[in-house]
Amino acid sequence: EAQVTQNPRYLITVTGKKLTVTCSQNMNHEYMSWYRQDPGLGLRQIYYSMNVEVTDKGDVPEGYKVSRKEKRNFPLILESPSPNQTSLYFCASSLVQGGALEQFFGPGTRLTVL
Amino acid sequence: QKEVEQDPGPLSVPEGAIVSLNCTYSNSAFQYFMWYRQYSRKGPELLMYTYSSGNKEDGRFTAQVDKSSKYISLFIRDSQPSDSATYLCAMPRDTGRRALTFGSGTRLQVQP
Repeated sequence: EAQVTQNPRYLITVTGKKLTVTCSQNMNHEYMSWYRQDPGLGLRQIYYSMNVEVTDKGDVPEGYKVSRKEKRNFPLILESPSPNQTSLYFCASSLVQGGALEQFFGPGTRLTVL
Repeated sequence: QKEVEQDPGPLSVPEGAIVSLNCTYSNSAFQYFMWYRQYSRKGPELLMYTYSSGNKEDGRFTAQVDKSSKYISLFIRDSQPSDSATYLCAMPRDTGRRALTFGSGTRLQVQP
């Protein structure tokens, strides 16, 4: 089954404790992206990647890091999480020809930073 | 001013009604316009996208773009309770279609 998977699905952590949210897709997609979703603000793009070793900032990259060492994986790293990073996070992927047009989204990771 | 504005709703309609969901945008350079549907506790899923102006139909769904007014609409005919979800409009803000800007979403409730 074609899908985007994220782990963990739910995470409660404390300020300053480094964490990684993993994202993996099995569709051989070149393009991958991370979003956060907050009430009243909608989905905002954090980082995206056009291919292995190619990443770029989205609208809200501060406080986040990403890496793309393999085509299928695109982890999101919070080096020192803060309460304002409490949010619902989505990973997405698509074929590069479509860019961000035809993205498949993962199920989401709900992060709470205390 | 946000680049993309969307009424958050909620919008409640009876089953079978025609639903109109709308977004306005400020950047005249936007060329592609997308509609995503998001069920509660799920990731968004692409419904359809259009390029430039005009209408595009897919089953009960019709997307309409009016570039002169910077206004896009999604019409749902014969709405069903299964259409109850949040609908998000989105537009790539770069010519490479890599960076997306989303509206905040309109929550739709179709009453049986």
